[in-house]
Amino acid sequence: GAVVSQHPSRVICKSGTSVKIECRSLDFQATTMFWYRQFPKQSLMLMATSNEGSKATYEQGVEKDKFLINHASLTLSTLTVTSAHPEDSSFYICSARDRRGANTGELFFGEGSRLTVL
Amino acid sequence: ILNVEQSPQSLHVQEGDSTNFTCSFPSSNFYALHWYRWETAKSPEALFVMTLNGDEKKKGRISATLNTKEGYSYLYIKGSQPEDSATYLCAPPPSYNTDKLIFGTGTRLQVFP
Repeated sequence: GAVVSQHPSRVICKSGTSVKIECRSLDFQATTMFWYRQFPKQSLMLMATSNEGSKATYEQGVEKDKFLINHASLTLSTLTVTSAHPEDSSFYICSARDRRGANTGELFFGEGSRLTVL
Repeated sequence: ILNVEQSPQSLHVQEGDSTNFTCSFPSSNFYALHWYRWETAKSPEALFVMTLNGDEKKKGRISATLNTKEGYSYLYIKGSQPEDSATYLCAPPPSYNTDKLIFGTGTRLQVFP
C-alpha cells in the first residue's frame, strides 16, 4: 500500500524555538495533505489542509501564523510550529490522499511526531 | 462542525470473543463513512469506505454495516485476537465537495489472551 513518511518522530525543544515536521508521500503524489493534532485522550483534530502550490486552508481556531504549512511539491508538506510554547506540546500527524485514479477516498497516514516543548 | 461520536470509548474482551462498537454521525447530507484502525506506535490504516445505506463490508474477521438514514455504523469483530487490539476510528467527510475527514473519538479495543 501507499507509504507516508513523517519526520521527526519525536522532538524536544525549548520554549521560543521553531520546529519543522516533514511529511512525505514515498510512492505516490499527493496534491492534498492533511495535518492533524491529537490532544491526550482525545481524537485526531484536523488543523489544516495543505494544498500543493497554494496556501493551506486552516480549520477554525487554528492560528496560521503559529502553524506554518508549506506544500512545495507533490510529495512533501511541512508543518512548522513557530515560537513553540509548552501548550503546543502534542502529537502531530499528517495524512495524504493519492491523487491517481481508483480513488477510494482513503487517507494514508504518517507515523506521527511527538512534540515536547520545555 | 460535524459531530461524530463513537461508543464505547474503550472495550476489553477475551480472545475468541466477538465484539462490536458504534459510530454515530449526522444523517443529513451524508456522503461517506471511513473506518480506520490505529495500532499503538503505528500509522492509522484504512479499513473500509462506505457510501450506501445498507452497505456491509468485510475484511477477514472484521465487518461493518451502515445506516445512513439513522446516522450510525457498526463495526464487528468476530473471534477477537490479541492482534486486533487497536483504536478504531470512524470519519465522515463533512460535505460532498471536500477531501477532509473529521474523526470520531475512537473506540480503544484491548483483546486479552
